[in-house]
Amino acid sequence: QVTLRESGPALVKPTQTLTLTCTFSGFSLNTRAMCVSWIRQPPGKALEWLARIDWDDDKYYSPSLKTRLTVSKDTSKNQVVLTMTNMDPVDTATYFCARTPTGGPFDIWGQGTMVTVSS
Amino acid sequence: ETVLTQSPGTLSLSPGERATLSCRASQSVRSSYFAWYQQKPGQAPRLLIYGTSSRATGIPDRFSGSGSGTDFTLTISRLEPEDFAVYYCQQHDNSWTFGQGTKVEIK
Repeated sequence: QVTLRESGPALVKPTQTLTLTCTFSGFSLNTRAMCVSWIRQPPGKALEWLARIDWDDDKYYSPSLKTRLTVSKDTSKNQVVLTMTNMDPVDTATYFCARTPTGGPFDIWGQGTMVTVSS
Repeated sequence: ETVLTQSPGTLSLSPGERATLSCRASQSVRSSYFAWYQQKPGQAPRLLIYGTSSRATGIPDRFSGSGSGTDFTLTISRLEPEDFAVYYCQQHDNSWTFGQGTKVEIK
């Protein structure tokens, strides 16, 4: 059974750096063509793709956020970490991680973690 | 970046009725790289359709997808009470983008 779970702070202050961890099971990022993506959703709004990391350590970022995002993986721990710098109240959202086979859709999602940016 | 525009924004229908949701892309999307998701309040999105017309595991056959190029459609043949939700289209041919969603609500 494939599962993903996001974890991180529920509240961050403006200008701080957000660090989120996606811990997964049931698949490996050592497996060819396997990837993990991050997607976010502000309250009441649509989904927005943020970043993807591949089994071979290739990384892809949203063009509008690429200067603020870094994604990394620890295959020994089955974890993917997303950092977002210079947080702003408009970054308040639920952040999801999802398994993403290469060339495929976001097929399995975590439950999401809500992050509020406020002083 | 490919912009996806969904219509209508809200669809008000009764159980048993047919729902037709549209998604238009700002540039052509290869059929293999188009998907639909369902999201209920407080839940993560769930993959419904991938590759334009293939149902994901466990998705009932009342859900079907079609389309090509810039115009794609999700059809729910007969709405069940559990189908009232928000639906998002998504492409992964040119980066990864989502539509703004269509809410299917009970009339």
